[in-house]
Amino acid sequence: NAGVTQTPKFRVLKTGQSMTLLCAQDMNHEYMYWYRQDPGMGLRLIHYSVGEGTTAKGEVPDGYNVSRLKKQNFLLGLESAAPSQTSVYFCASRPGLQGVQPQHFGDGTRLSIL
Amino acid sequence: TQLLEQSPQFLSIQEGENLTVYCNSSSVFSSLQWYRQEPGEGPVLLVTVVTGGEVKKLKRLTFQFGDARKDSSLHITAAQPGDTGLYLCAASTSGTYKYIFGTGTRLKVLA
Repeated sequence: NAGVTQTPKFRVLKTGQSMTLLCAQDMNHEYMYWYRQDPGMGLRLIHYSVGEGTTAKGEVPDGYNVSRLKKQNFLLGLESAAPSQTSVYFCASRPGLQGVQPQHFGDGTRLSIL
Repeated sequence: TQLLEQSPQFLSIQEGENLTVYCNSSSVFSSLQWYRQEPGEGPVLLVTVVTGGEVKKLKRLTFQFGDARKDSSLHITAAQPGDTGLYLCAASTSGTYKYIFGTGTRLKVLA
C-alpha cells in the first residue's frame, strides 16, 4: 500500500539550478497539494490541484510552478532555485470536497539550496 | 490572512504527566483536524472535529472544538514516550479546497 510517494527524498542544489519534485498517489484522489515546512512555521501551501489539468496558487506560490497532467501525479518545479527555498516539501492528496476528508501525506523531500 | 496559532510551541514533560495543546484563531472554521508528525515522515491524521463544542476521544487523547468553532484543544492524559512528536492543527472553511495549518507544537515525553 504505497499511498503518496515523493521523489527524490533528498536533494542538494546550487543557486540558480532547476529541478522537479514528483508526487504520485495510487488512491484515485481528486485533490493534491504541495506544502513546504520550515521550522516554527508549520506547513504552508504552495500550490494545489482539484483535478487533472487544473492548478491553483496557495499561500506561498512565488518561485514555484506545478503541473497535473495525470490524475495520479502532481509535479512541483523550481525554475531557478534560491537559498530561501531550502525546506522540506510535502505532497498530500485527498478524495474530494464532499464530507470532511483527511489529507494523506508523503514522507517529504528535503531540499537544500547552496 | 487566516492564521492558526498553536501554544505552546515546545513542551518537554515526564512520562505520566498530563498536558494540553491549544490551537486558536480569530476566524470561524467548518472543520478542524489534528495531525501528528514524526521525524522523517509526513503528518498523520489523528482526528477531525466539525461541530462547535464537539469532544472526541482517542485512547488517552481528548480533542475539543470550541463552541464558536474558532479554537480547539488537545489534551493528553498520562503521556508516554510514544506520544513524542510534532502536533499540528489544520482548519478549513466550508466550500474551500484548502487547509490552513497551525505553527505546530513539538512535544517530547521523557521516560
